[in-house]
Amino acid sequence: EVQLLESGGGLVKPGGSLRLSCAASGFKFFSFGMSWVRQAPGKGLEWVSSIHDSGNSRYYADSVKGRFTISRDNSKNTLFLLMNSLRDDDTAVYFCVSHGAAEGYFDYWGQGALVTVSS
Amino acid sequence: DIQMTQSPSTLSASVGDRVTITCRASQSISRWLAWYQQKPGKAPKLLISEASTLENGVPSRFGGSGSGTEFTLTISSLQPDDFATYYCQQYDSYWYSFGQGTKLEIK
Repeated sequence: EVQLLESGGGLVKPGGSLRLSCAASGFKFFSFGMSWVRQAPGKGLEWVSSIHDSGNSRYYADSVKGRFTISRDNSKNTLFLLMNSLRDDDTAVYFCVSHGAAEGYFDYWGQGALVTVSS
Repeated sequence: DIQMTQSPSTLSASVGDRVTITCRASQSISRWLAWYQQKPGKAPKLLISEASTLENGVPSRFGGSGSGTEFTLTISSLQPDDFATYYCQQYDSYWYSFGQGTKLEIK
């Protein structure tokens, strides 16, 4: 059974940093691209960042480029999102998602980690 | 960046109705489109990939069609469990994007 378990969410002040982790199990993590998708309270889904299976290619939404860094450790089946210079509008539930069959759709989702940016 | 626009934003319907949700892309995305269902407080669930390929376990009353810039999600006979919010997502470009969502409400 595929499982994606996010951790590291919490309350942080504007300008602060936070690192999210996503522990993956039940599939060959090293063979699939991974992404982070977020959802602000009461709002729709927003793609944040993606990383290829090898970790060699990374992509970011304009809203987070230069502030967030996606990475992965294939030896530990773990995906990361380092978030710096956090702003109020980064407040959201952050979902860890796996890419289906090496494509860009998201077949498995974690339960989400809440990040609240507030003074 | 590719912009995705869904319509309507809200849809009121009754059990047994046939409903259609439309998703338009700002440029051609071939058939690289997925549909998701999300219920309150839950993670989204993948329903359809590549515009019309139903995921395992998704009821056959769900159907997807389209290519290029215009796509539809159809539910042939609404069931109580189908009242939720639906999102389309393009994956033609590595800079993925979602539609704004369509909330399907009980009339």
